[in-house]
Amino acid sequence: RKEVEQDPGPFNVPEGATVAFNCTYSNSASQSFFWYRQDCRKEPKLLMSVYSSGNEDGRFTAQLNRASQYISLLIRDSKLSDSATYLCVVNRGNTDKLIFGTGTRLQVFP
Amino acid sequence: NAGVTQTPKFQVLKTGQSMTLQCAQDMNHEYMSWYRQDPGMGLRLIHYSVGAGITDQGEVPNGYNVSRSTTEDFPLRLLSAAPSQTSVYFCASSLFDLNTEAFFGQGTRLTVV
Repeated sequence: RKEVEQDPGPFNVPEGATVAFNCTYSNSASQSFFWYRQDCRKEPKLLMSVYSSGNEDGRFTAQLNRASQYISLLIRDSKLSDSATYLCVVNRGNTDKLIFGTGTRLQVFP
Repeated sequence: NAGVTQTPKFQVLKTGQSMTLQCAQDMNHEYMSWYRQDPGMGLRLIHYSVGAGITDQGEVPNGYNVSRSTTEDFPLRLLSAAPSQTSVYFCASSLFDLNTEAFFGQGTRLTVV
């Protein structure tokens, strides 16, 4: 089983739609959780950290479910500019090493 | 504000050649790392450093060397390039804290023929 698993997509959604991505992780000792965004042929950039109580940043909401070992990202009112690959990132157990999922590709169409 | 600067952006090598990928950051970050990204796989950690003079291996270190003589620079050396090292390489830096943001360079697209 992969340490971090994501549905690769692609998710093709119209502008204005709400879309959700899930990510599962295998190590129950993991403590840090992030969503990164990667545009085509560009470097990853932090979208948001994921906190235990859940957190929101504008149109983006992240949730953590420790019992089931998954994190989610909800994007409301999708924009064309949201088209990108979204990477789920988790630290490995009690270490400072980050484990990256393979990414979920989102394509927003007009 | 430069952030993390990687050079070169593109490189083609012949099998057996060696080269160094450069990485520099101007944010005074202690933690620097090198990843490779291949289709269908997440970024994989090659080597990392928690400070000047300290380096350690990641998941896929074979065929690569690193050094960290200053806080700012963290070069990655390919000793004898192989086609399996064809990949996109990213350098990243962050404060030495589990919960802080990792900043990535723009990447180096390496092809080994």
